[in-house]
Amino acid sequence: EDKVVQSPLSLVVHEGDTVTLNCSYEVTNFRSLLWYKQEKKAPTFLFMLTSSGIEKKSGRLSSILDKKELFSILNITATQTGDSAVYLCAVEANGNKLVFGAGTILRVKS
Amino acid sequence: DSGVTQTPKHLITATGQRVTLRCSPRSGDLSVYWYQQSLDQGLQFLIQYYNGEERAKGNILERFSAQQFPDLHSELNLSSLELGDSALYFCASSVQVETDTQYFGPGTRLTVL
Repeated sequence: EDKVVQSPLSLVVHEGDTVTLNCSYEVTNFRSLLWYKQEKKAPTFLFMLTSSGIEKKSGRLSSILDKKELFSILNITATQTGDSAVYLCAVEANGNKLVFGAGTILRVKS
Repeated sequence: DSGVTQTPKHLITATGQRVTLRCSPRSGDLSVYWYQQSLDQGLQFLIQYYNGEERAKGNILERFSAQQFPDLHSELNLSSLELGDSALYFCASSVQVETDTQYFGPGTRLTVL
């Protein structure tokens, strides 16, 4: 059975801290791994990763994929209160379906 | 705003009823995906259509069905509704059939009483 596990489930940090969110997966016929940010509405796309070892960056956010060890991390530096959200990891697997992890709840305190 | 539209925004109905949720993809996107998000199950993939044809099926119940029309909009039909069907239903679209970024609509919140 395809599985995506995210950790931690939840964390609280202070503004300015750096956080690392983890995503490990076991799926059939891996195609890509995606990160989304979800506030009180629809998920917003952050990154799509298909190749190992290539870091993708967007401002204070960055992500990298390790296809050998079957995991990805999402880093957020200099966190702001606006980064508070649920971060979802999803893996595109066999049959083009997306399998989602349960998400990591991030709360950034001012 | 992702460019994906969904109607209605909210829907309240009774058990046993049937509802239709509608999705219009971003201009130029040929793939449409449906997802269900509930508190206890998280985000679950239901079904994907590409240019009018079913491409992939996830955890979709037999009471649910979907289709994509020639103008590329899609409808998700939910019948014989149960309390447990109460959830947020998202539609997403992408340009290609696979390995492409999916953009999510704002969702339809379904409440079954």
